[in-house]
Amino acid sequence: SYELTQPPSVSVSPGQTARITCSGDALPDQFAHWYQQKPGQAPVLVIYKDTERPSGVPERVSGSTSGTIVTLTITGVLPEDEADYFCQSVDSTGAFVVFGGGTKLTVL
Amino acid sequence: QLQLQGSGPGLVRPSETLSLICTVSGGSITTTNYFWGWIRQPPGKGLEWIGTVSYDGSTYYNPSLKSRVTLSVDTSKNLFSLNLNSVTAADIALYFCAASVPATTTAAFDFWGQGSLVTVSS
Repeated sequence: SYELTQPPSVSVSPGQTARITCSGDALPDQFAHWYQQKPGQAPVLVIYKDTERPSGVPERVSGSTSGTIVTLTITGVLPEDEADYFCQSVDSTGAFVVFGGGTKLTVL
Repeated sequence: QLQLQGSGPGLVRPSETLSLICTVSGGSITTTNYFWGWIRQPPGKGLEWIGTVSYDGSTYYNPSLKSRVTLSVDTSKNLFSLNLNSVTAADIALYFCAASVPATTTAAFDFWGQGSLVTVSS
């Protein structure tokens, strides 16, 4: 079955840049989306279609793609950015949705 | 603004069927703009897609759950539902309903319900 691979954890100090990667063989051909999830809450969409930002998401949050890897970048990290982040895409057929295992972003 | 509200029993006995509904407000379940999905999250773990149902009842299921899952739409009540049979402890999770825009499996889930915690125990 198709998998998306994320690092389990990323740690940065406030004001620094956090980069969270997501790798998958079908990513060159399929869009990826990113969600932020804080404890006890539902996920919130922060990036869709690799690089698009929903209204209300700050400009310091961005997405990029290169081959089989998509990256979520948060510049000028704030304490409130501490959360779990999940990528989502589909397999090569486009029929089956897959989530990455999630990355816990810790703001030191 | 679309709003989703999941509901259903919080406790299910082993081998029985888990049934949840997601009531949609702020929009019609029959709109061609949305796909309706279920995602679950075991305690302390990641997200797992269960399946997606379209406005016309077309369904897409996670292959690992397909044999036990049924998704459907009730247009008269503006809701969609999840049935998962033969549950075990491995099905203990927070179950989210969500809506993706546009109506394609490749789209992001823009709107989420608050989550319904389901425990499996006798």
